[in-house]
Amino acid sequence: DQQVKQNSPSLSVQEGRISILNCDYTNSMFDYFLWYKKYPAEGPTFLISISSIKDKNEDGRFTVFLNKSAKHLSLHIVPSQPGDSAVYFCAATFQTGANNLFFGTGTRLTVIP
Amino acid sequence: DAGVIQSPRHEVTEMGQEVTLRCKPISGHDYLFWYRQTMMRGLELLIYFNNNVPIDDSGMPEDRFSAKMPNASFSTLKIQPSEPRDSAVYFCASIPGRGRDTGELFFGEGSRLTVL
Repeated sequence: DQQVKQNSPSLSVQEGRISILNCDYTNSMFDYFLWYKKYPAEGPTFLISISSIKDKNEDGRFTVFLNKSAKHLSLHIVPSQPGDSAVYFCAATFQTGANNLFFGTGTRLTVIP
Repeated sequence: DAGVIQSPRHEVTEMGQEVTLRCKPISGHDYLFWYRQTMMRGLELLIYFNNNVPIDDSGMPEDRFSAKMPNASFSTLKIQPSEPRDSAVYFCASIPGRGRDTGELFFGEGSRLTVL
């Protein structure tokens, strides 16, 4: 069973607007969360992460929010740019181990110029 | 710096044939991971190595799958015999030992396997 779920397979947003990608998890032991971005014909690349001791982490246009009580995290992209069009994977781990990384199924973001 | 290098990028084969996927991790990285990406399950960990030693292969779906890492710069994932349900994109990723705690993997570009 998927311990990390991304229920929206796709999302379309106008350039300049906010993109919000959502992720839910079931394992309360997860203590570190990551977002990866994947362009076609390329491997995923690390984008941003957050520890469970925080509820927000910001890096430029990208902000990740964590709601532990709801077991939910979201990635906000503001403003969205056409170059942000990609598949975004949410991932979670516990004991902050790369060998315990659980990925969601991904959300394809399309930013419309 | 060279990233993780995978070959072949695309492989089309017939059911029953042997498939070998190859990976060269980033030099100096102590951990190597093999993942499989499917639409239904996203990215799934198949097996990972630490200092060339397989540590956890619980994600390998069946005995038809095997992986080796004969040295620090080379790993293979073999499927024998292949089946249509093995069709997926297979990713190799590596990470330095000091980065293990962060989960920030460096992925290759993937090998897209199609089994007819």
